[in-house]
Amino acid sequence: EAGVAQSPRYKIIEKRQSVAFWCNPISGHATLYWYQQILGQGPKLLIQFQNNGVVDDSQLPKDRFSAERLKGVDSTLKIQPAKLEDSAVYLCASSHNSGGYGYTFGSGTRLTVV
Amino acid sequence: RKEVEQDPGPFNVPEGATVAFNCTYSNSASQSFFWYRQDCRKEPKLLMSVYSSGNEDGRFTAQLNRASQYISLLIRDSKLSDSATYLCVVKGSGGQNFVFGPGTRLSVLP
Repeated sequence: EAGVAQSPRYKIIEKRQSVAFWCNPISGHATLYWYQQILGQGPKLLIQFQNNGVVDDSQLPKDRFSAERLKGVDSTLKIQPAKLEDSAVYLCASSHNSGGYGYTFGSGTRLTVV
Repeated sequence: RKEVEQDPGPFNVPEGATVAFNCTYSNSASQSFFWYRQDCRKEPKLLMSVYSSGNEDGRFTAQLNRASQYISLLIRDSKLSDSATYLCVVKGSGGQNFVFGPGTRLSVLP
């Protein structure tokens, strides 16, 4: 079974620039999550999709972050404009339905904002 | 109070030692519990689920105490390869998402 695919692996941008991350979940997984992990902290949920609908985006900074999951498969997360504090690893995960048996994470995108 | 709290690290233990990590959670309605392992600069990976009756997987034993809202992970006969950060994860019922603790870093020394 192919895992969760993410790209790019690394990205360095200047503050106020925009950036986009891409995620392709495991085939058949209805639920997709984007997490932000700041160095030394546990992952924090940004947004959860069930198929192509948003289930939870309560912790997404909507003034600068946006995400979509068209057609209920792959997803993009965008930051515009980026701030220094957005430097983190952005992890995508997927699961069957509500994730009662755990998530599978992609390898993440490491973002550095300078 | 944070939703999920873990022992502060790092834990530095010699090979062969037994080490235990603790985790507390604030939401009494939480339904599912997990331990994830995260290696340096890698993504978190599921280590084991935690069941009400406690469960064991080789050298790893997980315990859940719902009354005290407390989860533990015991590692026996530590190996160098056990060095990682261990994340406690709690999930509410239905479609509620996972909440991750900050993690506890373990270094197993030769």
